[in-house]
Amino acid sequence: NAGVTQTPKFQVLKTGQSMTLQCAQDMNHNSMYWYRQDPGMGLRLIYYSASEGTTDKGEVPNGYNVSRLNKREFSLRLESAAPSQTSVYFCASSSALNYGYTFGSGTRLTVV
Amino acid sequence: DQQVKQNSPSLSVQEGRISILNCDYTNSMFDYFLWYKKYPAEGPTFLISISSIKDKNEDGRFTVFLNKSAKHLSLHIVPSQPGDSAVYFCAASGEGGNFNKFYFGSGTKLNVKP
Repeated sequence: NAGVTQTPKFQVLKTGQSMTLQCAQDMNHNSMYWYRQDPGMGLRLIYYSASEGTTDKGEVPNGYNVSRLNKREFSLRLESAAPSQTSVYFCASSSALNYGYTFGSGTRLTVV
Repeated sequence: DQQVKQNSPSLSVQEGRISILNCDYTNSMFDYFLWYKKYPAEGPTFLISISSIKDKNEDGRFTVFLNKSAKHLSLHIVPSQPGDSAVYFCAASGEGGNFNKFYFGSGTKLNVKP
């Protein structure tokens, strides 16, 4: 099925470890996003890529890096994981013709 | 400070009745608003949108109302069905003409009782 695919679905990290969350979309969307969802906080934008080759900070970028590898793929990297980064991470994409996002099913990350 | 607020964490409604979910925002630059629905262990799915040039948009059982002067929008679901039980997020964008950055509320969990 067409859509946004995130890997992995679950991950447990120790404090200080690094990891990369992968995201790919097959809808030929120009824009891609990374959000985190925390209880009582809703979804907060970490980074986004309006088009291939560009990336910009969102509301909560500290502790994260991103790479827009090509039009399809947008990865999120945690260089040194902290317990405050325990969250559910959602990747999304959108086209300029439709401002609504298509979300992936999420990655549940726990940092211990 | 959150720019989009959903002050009701939860709402319980009887099947067949109307569900009204509310959302307030603080940034007068916001120009475009969306509602998303989220089931457990899934990503949010787009439900309905409205731009600031309208005050109402309808799609089947779902209607979104926008009151720009009050910086308030609401989602009406009529009639409510048990399958509507989910978390609903409102989102807003348009700050500085940037429609790539959406700000989300904290969500309202709707429970529709059979």
